[in-house]
Amino acid sequence: QVQLVESGGGLVKPGGSLRLSCAASGFTFSDYYMSWIRQAPGKGLEWVSYISSSGSNIYYADSVKGRFTISRDNAKNSLYLQINSLRAEDTAVYYCARPTVAKNFDCWGQGTLVTVSS
Amino acid sequence: QSALTQPPSASGSPGQSVTISCTGTSSDVGGYNYVSWYQQHPGKAPKLMIYEVSKRPSGVPARFSGSKSGNTASLTVSGLQAEDEADYYCSSYAGSTPWVFGGGTKLTIL
Repeated sequence: QVQLVESGGGLVKPGGSLRLSCAASGFTFSDYYMSWIRQAPGKGLEWVSYISSSGSNIYYADSVKGRFTISRDNAKNSLYLQINSLRAEDTAVYYCARPTVAKNFDCWGQGTLVTVSS
Repeated sequence: QSALTQPPSASGSPGQSVTISCTGTSSDVGGYNYVSWYQQHPGKAPKLMIYEVSKRPSGVPARFSGSKSGNTASLTVSGLQAEDEADYYCSSYAGSTPWVFGGGTKLTIL
């Protein structure tokens, strides 16, 4: 079945960096746009970024533009999020999710927690 | 502050119905028929419950329904069951943004 599994989260100091990964299985990864969505502790969902199926089109939320970089490796069925210059407000569970042509997210990973603290 | 406005809480007794609202603007909810709703149980990933305002994915009970009027979308849960207790988030496509979410509504089954 369709499965998304994130990894790479952890505790990092302000100003630090992390690389999140999302391993996809159960579908033809290269046919789909992919996205990252985050959720701060006790807060709502926030769309972060998305990347087209080929990787040629990329969009970011204003809150992360210039600090986050989304990428993908279709040969490895994997999605990535490089997060730099981390701030306390970036503390969140980061979900990998699959957007559909109907502009919704029909499949989500279990999330990976990023904690930014000194 | 979230882009879409939802009430922080809602409640109902088993068997009753409850409606959760989601208010946006003409740039998101009012401008597109791409409103979706997600259910999230504690510690779990969100699950798609409604898409394109009123469509249900396979496997979602018919007790869940969606609608939209102007800049406000609504999720109605009929015949409330204990397992419906969860957080519910609305989302809308917003063109250049491109997705916005609501702040979430905690549904409590009394």
